Order: sequence, then structure tokens, then C-alpha cells
Amino acid sequence: DAKTTQPNSMESNEEEPVHLPCNHSTISGTDYIHWYRQLPSQGPEYVIHGLTSNVNNRMASLAIAEDRKSSTLILHRATLRDAAVYYCILRGYMDTGRRALTFGSGTRLQVQP
Amino acid sequence: GAVVSQHPSWVICKSGTSVKIECRSLDFQATTMFWYRQFPKQSLMLMATSNEGSKATYEQGVEKDKFLINHASLTLSTLTVTSAHPEDSSFYICSASPDPRSPLHFGNGTRLTVT
Repeated sequence: DAKTTQPNSMESNEEEPVHLPCNHSTISGTDYIHWYRQLPSQGPEYVIHGLTSNVNNRMASLAIAEDRKSSTLILHRATLRDAAVYYCILRGYMDTGRRALTFGSGTRLQVQP
Repeated sequence: GAVVSQHPSWVICKSGTSVKIECRSLDFQATTMFWYRQFPKQSLMLMATSNEGSKATYEQGVEKDKFLINHASLTLSTLTVTSAHPEDSSFYICSASPDPRSPLHFGNGTRLTVT
């Protein structure tokens, strides 16, 4: 899987938006951008994924750069429950369910009340 | 949505004993399941790929005789840590996907402590 680069940690205040960046300059044309998060003492949780267009769901939004070499996960209003490690992972189009995910170190998000 | 369930959520065992961890896909069938291990303050590391009806595929450095994987049905994979030692203490997590184009879903993990 192509490599992604994320900041080690970020801080946010409660009820403010959070923008979590991810660089993936070696992304291939068929790679999807997936985001997962892991709350303390839990398994990872799927957040969102996309290919080229920006995506929205009930948890977050994903903004993908036009050249696809970077993306940003947007939490519109951070809550204390959003404190977690966020992982940005690239997945080949046809590999999604057949191959395991390769986790980097992710971004540890701290949310201050 | 797709749900993956793990049991137990935590277990404490003595050195030399074996521990079995179950991973179930509750509302879908999974021909492939993945087992990860996570040490404190570290990221998830893939241990093995569990294939229904055939042998598991282990990552380099993972002892297949120590970490026995059985995937006997389309909804259940088990990981047995044999002759456990304190260094096997870790957080074990499984994952699966309903179909090749869906994201992977993860269990809530099993915290193993070997005393």
C-alpha cells in the first residue's frame, strides 16, 4: 500500500471544527482514501472513505485535493468523544475486502473542554 | 451496519496456558478475517489472514504454531495463543468485511494479560 503521512498529534477545543491532514503523494489512480479512528481500548472504527470527490457522512467530511496527493478529514464540531487516534489509509479499489489494512502511526487528537 | 464481535473483551491467564479468542461476523459472511496485535502506545500490526476452509496466512515473524488460527465457518474465526508468556500480553483485534468493496470492520478487541 502507498504510504501516508500524518501529524503525530493535534489539539482542538470542544465544539470547534477540526481539520486532520493527510499527505499521500504516491497515491495511485485506483487507491481509495480511507479514514479510521481508534478510541482508547477499542478496535478501530470506520469513519469515511473517498476516491476523488469530497464525501460527507454523519460522522465527518472528507476533502480530497484535486491532485489527490493530500486529503483532510473534517470533524465539524469536535466533542470530547472524538478524542482518538485517526488513521489515514490508502486502499486499492479491488483490495478493499480481501486485503488487510496497513496502519501507520496516525494522528492523536486531543479535545479540550 | 456490519458488525464484528470479539470475545472475550479481556482475559488474564497464567504463563504456559492457552487462550482462545473468538471473532464473529454477526450480520454478514466473511471468507477472510484479519487478526491484528497492538502493544501499548503503538499502532496495529497485522498478524495473520484467516481464510475460511483453508490455512491462515501469517505475517513474517509471527509464529504459526504459537498463534493458531481456525476459520471453520463463514462467520467465525478463532485465534488461540498457545503456551502464553508475559510477552504475549497485548491487545488483539480482528476485522472483516461484508464484501470486497466494503470497508473493513473491526471487533472491539481482546486485552490479554499473561501473568
